Amino acid sequence: SQQGEEDPQALSIQEGENATMNCSYKTSINNLQWYRQNSGRGLVHLILIRSNEREKHSGRLRVTLDTSKKSSSLLITASRAADTASYFCATDAGGTSYGKLTFGQGTILTVHP
Amino acid sequence: ETGVTQSPTHLIKTRGQQVTLRCSSQSGHNTVSWYQQALGQGPQFIFQYYREEENGRGNFPPRFSGLQFPNYSSELNVNALELDDSALYLCASSLAGADTQYFGPGTRLTVL
Repeated sequence: SQQGEEDPQALSIQEGENATMNCSYKTSINNLQWYRQNSGRGLVHLILIRSNEREKHSGRLRVTLDTSKKSSSLLITASRAADTASYFCATDAGGTSYGKLTFGQGTILTVHP
Repeated sequence: ETGVTQSPTHLIKTRGQQVTLRCSSQSGHNTVSWYQQALGQGPQFIFQYYREEENGRGNFPPRFSGLQFPNYSSELNVNALELDDSALYLCASSLAGADTQYFGPGTRLTVL
């Protein structure tokens, strides 16, 4: 079963604009991760944020985490056509479930040149 | 490239048949996890292997089974294939205790 939902399901923007994707989850977590998937192939790890962190940056990526609302957001700044892909959040509940990721349903991002 | 490889890339089977999918971990990684991704959905955790032992299983029936070998490569076996087994099967390798998993390119299984 899916852990939660991602919003929006699809996002279409112009190159240079920012893209924001949201993820909600249901149970407590050890960490939350974001992945990118191109054309139904393998997943590429983008960024991880731990449950005791509120914000994290990596290049053009900014992730926030609000554990009280059980939600996270991924911001891609100055988007490029090459950012076109599906983006998934995945939660790791830790404990006996450590390393067993639970994914959302994903956001399809299209960046138009 | 993550260094994780999977074979075959594509596979077509008929209902009731059995299939074996293979995964080679990134060098030095001792943990392998398998995920099933139906079209338009996020991946779902099938099971994880650590040092050749199953280390956790998702909500999948026993006809989904696996193996991990001493070199940490892994197999996913599915018996009595059903139409709903059509999906992209992803394996991911990691070091025990590390948070990041590295995914292979996947095997696309079609069951007719």
